[in-house]
Amino acid sequence: DIQMTQSPSTLSASVGDRVTITCRASQSISSWLAWYQQKPGKAPKLLIYKASSLESGVPSRFSGSGSGTEFTLTISSLQPDDFATYYCQQYNSYSGLTFGGGTKVEIK
Amino acid sequence: EVQLVESGGVVVQPGGSLRLSCAASGFTFDDYAMHWVRQAPGKGLEWVSLISWDGGSTYYADSVKGRFTISRDNSKNSLYLQMNSLRAEDTALYYCAKDSAFGGVIVSLFDYWGQGTLVTVSS
Repeated sequence: DIQMTQSPSTLSASVGDRVTITCRASQSISSWLAWYQQKPGKAPKLLIYKASSLESGVPSRFSGSGSGTEFTLTISSLQPDDFATYYCQQYNSYSGLTFGGGTKVEIK
Repeated sequence: EVQLVESGGVVVQPGGSLRLSCAASGFTFDDYAMHWVRQAPGKGLEWVSLISWDGGSTYYADSVKGRFTISRDNSKNSLYLQMNSLRAEDTALYYCAKDSAFGGVIVSLFDYWGQGTLVTVSS
């Protein structure tokens, strides 16, 4: 299986900060990478797919980049609603998909 | 509005069995593949199983292969997960998730999730 490694595991930031989360794949996954946001007690929500495509309804302060094995999720100006845990997911193989370990974005 | 509502989660003893259900509404159920994804308490997400739009193809994570069976009833807009030989490590919130690809294609990208049903395996 393809292993997905996210960093950092926890991130402390303030409202208005630019935040970047990294996800690395153990082998190339082209651009088959998604990002999800999960708030406590809630289901994950799709933010980004195909590495850089913004899901409908997701604020434009979220952006994704990368290809191959290294990917980033950037929040250009952190808002109070953005404090959550973020997961990357590779879907290079539809039956061998895997998630990263998650990055918790906390209030500084 | 797309809705996925899971049910069936309970406390069960190790070695026991359980069937989870997911009732779908707000979209044409038999146009999409469906998945189960789980999350152990305080942990990350783990994909469990996938079923094609017609039930003809099923896939499983190695951790559940041979113990879990995914199925669907398109006439009832429902997805199921039969869980046998349960272990403590199967304790998790089980989510039903809709594949984003239309028309029989599978991409394993999840655009809608249910609220989850909690399975606890404990003696």
